[in-house]
Amino acid sequence: EAQVTQNPRYLITVTGKKLTVTCSQNMNHEYMSWYRQDPGLGLRQIYYSMNVEVTDKGDVPEGYKVSRKEKRNFPLILESPSPNQTSLYFCASSLDSGSSYNEQFFGPGTRLTVL
Amino acid sequence: GEDVEQSLFLSVREGDSSVINCTYTDSSSTYLYWYKQEPGAGLQLLTYIFSNMDMKQDQRLTVLLNKKDKHLSLRIADTQTGDSAIYFCAEPSGGSYIPTFGRGTSLIVHP
Repeated sequence: EAQVTQNPRYLITVTGKKLTVTCSQNMNHEYMSWYRQDPGLGLRQIYYSMNVEVTDKGDVPEGYKVSRKEKRNFPLILESPSPNQTSLYFCASSLDSGSSYNEQFFGPGTRLTVL
Repeated sequence: GEDVEQSLFLSVREGDSSVINCTYTDSSSTYLYWYKQEPGAGLQLLTYIFSNMDMKQDQRLTVLLNKKDKHLSLRIADTQTGDSAIYFCAEPSGGSYIPTFGRGTSLIVHP
């Protein structure tokens, strides 16, 4: 089944404790991205990657890191989480960034709480 | 989401029609999209329209595009409680084909 998977689905942590949220897709997609969703603010893009070893900042990159060592994986790293990073996080992928029809496939989300 | 504007909430009675509106800014958009997010889940593509079309119908869904006013709407006929979700309008912007999402409209359907 074609899908985007994220782990963990739920995470409660404390301020300053490094964490990684994994994202994997099995559709051989070139483009991957991370969003956070907050009430009243909708979806805001954190980072995106157009291909292996190519990453770039989205609208709200502060406090986050990403890496794209393999095509299928795009982990989101919070080196020193803070309470304002409490949010619902979504990973998404699409075939590439150059196609005019560009359906985004989303993971199920990761609910992160930073105490 | 600044390039794509949507109202945040819409409440309708079961069986009525729902109309969710969206305005966008990038006039060069080729495809425009509607995504649906059900409770506890990620977004899924619901429907889309190519920019040379004015209307697209798909069962209970009707998408209307007014390019002159940069206005996109999604009409759901005979709205059911299962249609309760957040609906996101999305359009490519900034010279990229990657869609930018609006803030989402929460559709609440009353029995």
